[in-house]
Amino acid sequence: EVQLVESGGGLVQPGGSLRLSCSASGFTFSNYAMHWVRQAPGKGLEFVSAITSSGGSSNYGDSVKGRFIISRDNSKNTLFLQMSSLRPEDTAVYYCVKGGIEDRRMVMDYWGQGTLVTVSS
Amino acid sequence: DIQMTQSPSTLSASIGDRVTITCRASQNINSWLAWYQQEPGKAPKLLIYKASSLESGVPSRFSGSGSGTEFTLTISSLQPDDFATYYCQQYNNYCTFGQGTKLEIK
Repeated sequence: EVQLVESGGGLVQPGGSLRLSCSASGFTFSNYAMHWVRQAPGKGLEFVSAITSSGGSSNYGDSVKGRFIISRDNSKNTLFLQMSSLRPEDTAVYYCVKGGIEDRRMVMDYWGQGTLVTVSS
Repeated sequence: DIQMTQSPSTLSASIGDRVTITCRASQNINSWLAWYQQEPGKAPKLLIYKASSLESGVPSRFSGSGSGTEFTLTISSLQPDDFATYYCQQYNNYCTFGQGTKLEIK
């Protein structure tokens, strides 16, 4: 059974930093692209970042480009999101999401339960 | 950037109804479109990928169609579990989600 468990969320002041982690199990982690998607309270889904299976390539949504960094440790089946220069508008539930394979890389077939990040003074 | 626009934003329907949700892309995305269902307080769930391919385990009352810039998600006979919010997602060029369609009980 695929399981994705996020951790690291919490309350942080504007301008601060936070690192999210996602522990994956139930599939061969190193074979799949992975993603972060967020959802602000009462709002829709927003793509944050994606990383290829090897970690060699990544991309970001416009609103986080230059502030967030996605990475992965395939030896530990873990995905990360390093967030810096945080703004109140970054307040959201952050979901760790598994991608598919080949032309399904950007199809999000399994989602974690999410971790809440609150940016406030 | 590719923009995705869903309509309607809210849809009221009854058990057993056939409903259709539309998603329009600001430019050609071929068939690189997925649909997700999100129940309140839960993570989204994949329903359809490549515009019309049903994800394993998803009931056959869900279907998707379209290509290019216009797509639809159809639920043939609404069941109680189907009252949720639905999102389309393009993956032709990175990733963009539609703003969502909330399906409510009439």
